[in-house]
Amino acid sequence: SQQGEEDPQALSIQEGENATMNCSYKTSINNLQWYRQNSGRGLVHLILIRSNEREKHSGRLRVTLDTSKKSSSLLIMASRAADTASYFCATILAQGGSEKLVFGKGTKLTVNP
Amino acid sequence: KAGVTQTPRYLIKTRGQQVTLSCSPISGHRSVSWYQQTPGQGLQFLFEYFSETQRNKGNFPGRFSGRQFSNSRSEMNVSTLELGDSALYLCASSPWVRETQYFGPGTRLLVL
Repeated sequence: SQQGEEDPQALSIQEGENATMNCSYKTSINNLQWYRQNSGRGLVHLILIRSNEREKHSGRLRVTLDTSKKSSSLLIMASRAADTASYFCATILAQGGSEKLVFGKGTKLTVNP
Repeated sequence: KAGVTQTPRYLIKTRGQQVTLSCSPISGHRSVSWYQQTPGQGLQFLFEYFSETQRNKGNFPGRFSGRQFSNSRSEMNVSTLELGDSALYLCASSPWVRETQYFGPGTRLLVL
């Protein structure tokens, strides 16, 4: 079962605009991570937000976490064509004595120049 | 520090064959995880090794196996390949599974 679900599935914006994508998850978490993947390549870690944090910034990125709603959002400010990629949220799912990092299906962001 | 490396980068096999993929983690990282990525199922966790021991396992059949060596390098093996095993296989390393994962570029496997 999917632990994280991103919304929207796809987003197309113009360069300079802000892009917001959301992630919802099902169980309690220690932290939530956001990753970026350029077409068919490995994932790049963007930011990790812990369960006791509400907001975190990194450059043009802003991540919020609402544990009461089990949701997080990633805001990319002043987007650039190079931000075109898929974005995934990931959380740890504990199941049957095992822990695994579970990714959502991702939001595909296209930034048009 | 050098990043996570995976070999080979591309691989073509036929049904019924077996394949071994290799992953070298970032120096000092003791946790290595493997993921399978397909258009239909997305990113799915295969297994995680820490200090040569499999700590966590995803919901994959026994045809998928792995191991970790004393230098933290890891291999995963898929036996009796099926068409559905065609995917991008990603390896990630980290000091600990709960923290940031550093991904390699992946091995793209095509099963014909």
